[in-house]
Amino acid sequence: DTEVTQTPKHLVMGMTNKKSLKCEQHMGHRAMYWYKQKAKKPPELMFVYSYEKLSINESVPSRFSPECPNSSLLNLHLHALQPEDSALYLCASSQQLRTGTTEAFFGQGTRLTVV
Amino acid sequence: AQRVTQPEKLLSVFKGAPVELKCNYSYSGSPELFWYVQYSRQRLQLLLRHISRESIKGFTADLNKGETSFHLKKPFAQEEDSAMYYCALSYNTDKLIFGTGTRLQVFP
Repeated sequence: DTEVTQTPKHLVMGMTNKKSLKCEQHMGHRAMYWYKQKAKKPPELMFVYSYEKLSINESVPSRFSPECPNSSLLNLHLHALQPEDSALYLCASSQQLRTGTTEAFFGQGTRLTVV
Repeated sequence: AQRVTQPEKLLSVFKGAPVELKCNYSYSGSPELFWYVQYSRQRLQLLLRHISRESIKGFTADLNKGETSFHLKKPFAQEEDSAMYYCALSYNTDKLIFGTGTRLQVFP
């Protein structure tokens, strides 16, 4: 299985809602990533988990809260989002080797709309 | 700061023409560079990485540390090459950042 699976595919939420995005991989990768991608823009790195520990937080607002329950799962908890947070949220995973990082595998993304 | 620059937003060529997508990076250490591609309605996927020094779908890319470039080339473009191409830099083991992307359009 060389896939990264994200659920849901689409999500519409109000500004007072709490929701979660989920990501799963069974490739044994120890690095997992959240990216945000606005239309016609490149993916922007949000968070990185390395061996289930948060290693990078790119100054993301606290209304986004990542969680890595185990080595196969990655969640992104959302609370009190703003309309400008509407975007495609991508999850990725990669293997980390002493010689460097191997390729990152991406999920299809969750299309989030905040109303 | 680490950065990846792709100067062209759009590159349009006819089928059979050579293609070069430019990528420059800023990083003081030893970079790991990748080209990712996103075909219409498909997920982002790896095209090639500099360490492998391989040719994928006829594409090659050479790391030039002197010019801090990692340009993607193909001698004869095909219509199915039409896609969004992102140059990416991996550093500090964990970080993977992307350039702004170049849309390649190959006309018949």
